[in-house]
Amino acid sequence: AQTVTQSQPEMSVQEAETVTLSCTYDTSESNYYLFWYKQPPSRQMILVIRQEAYKQQNATENRFSVNFQKAAKSFSLKISDSQLGDTAMYFCALGTSGSRLTFGEGTQLTVNP
Amino acid sequence: NAGVTQTPKFQVLKTGQSMTLQCAQDMNHNSMYWYRQDPGMGLRLIYYSASEGTTDKGEVPNGYNVSRLNKREFSLRLESAAPSQTSVYFCATTRQRLPLLSNQPQHFGDGTRLSIL
Repeated sequence: AQTVTQSQPEMSVQEAETVTLSCTYDTSESNYYLFWYKQPPSRQMILVIRQEAYKQQNATENRFSVNFQKAAKSFSLKISDSQLGDTAMYFCALGTSGSRLTFGEGTQLTVNP
Repeated sequence: NAGVTQTPKFQVLKTGQSMTLQCAQDMNHNSMYWYRQDPGMGLRLIYYSASEGTTDKGEVPNGYNVSRLNKREFSLRLESAAPSQTSVYFCATTRQRLPLLSNQPQHFGDGTRLSIL
């Protein structure tokens, strides 16, 4: 069985500052993928970034980057230069065989002006 | 616009009533999924369909049935709704074909908010 844990139910950050959201996971599979999804108040689920487990290099997408620690089974998301539009619920997800995703509980991020 | 369309967006049911949630996609994706989202629990997979003609149970299938009508459509049915099924339901798709591995992101619909009294 796969599990994903996000231990921070809520976080806040000032506009233009940097924030890191934590995620840990567990799986017995050797080949898997990790994702961060963003869910703004509109309720849409939007892919932010993804990481292939076999790649050592951390993924980066503009202001979003991850710190992937495979041995520790940790996958944190760093948001630089936070913007008001980043306010959303963020979900960490683990993709394994069968094309199924296991989601964490989510972290509500609020960016304050 | 291309995407995943869910209908209805909102619905209120009485306990014991039946209901079918519809999902249609025009991205020519092969795999489709139904999730439920409850507060504090993230999204949980109910059922999925790896390709047209196949369906499989996810993490929380009890009380639900699904139909993959064709490549575009994947419906979720509640035969006898219960208050515990009050939730927000999301349909998602990926282009993924066999062998299945989640290296491609899932594209989500806007959700259906279902309340059962």
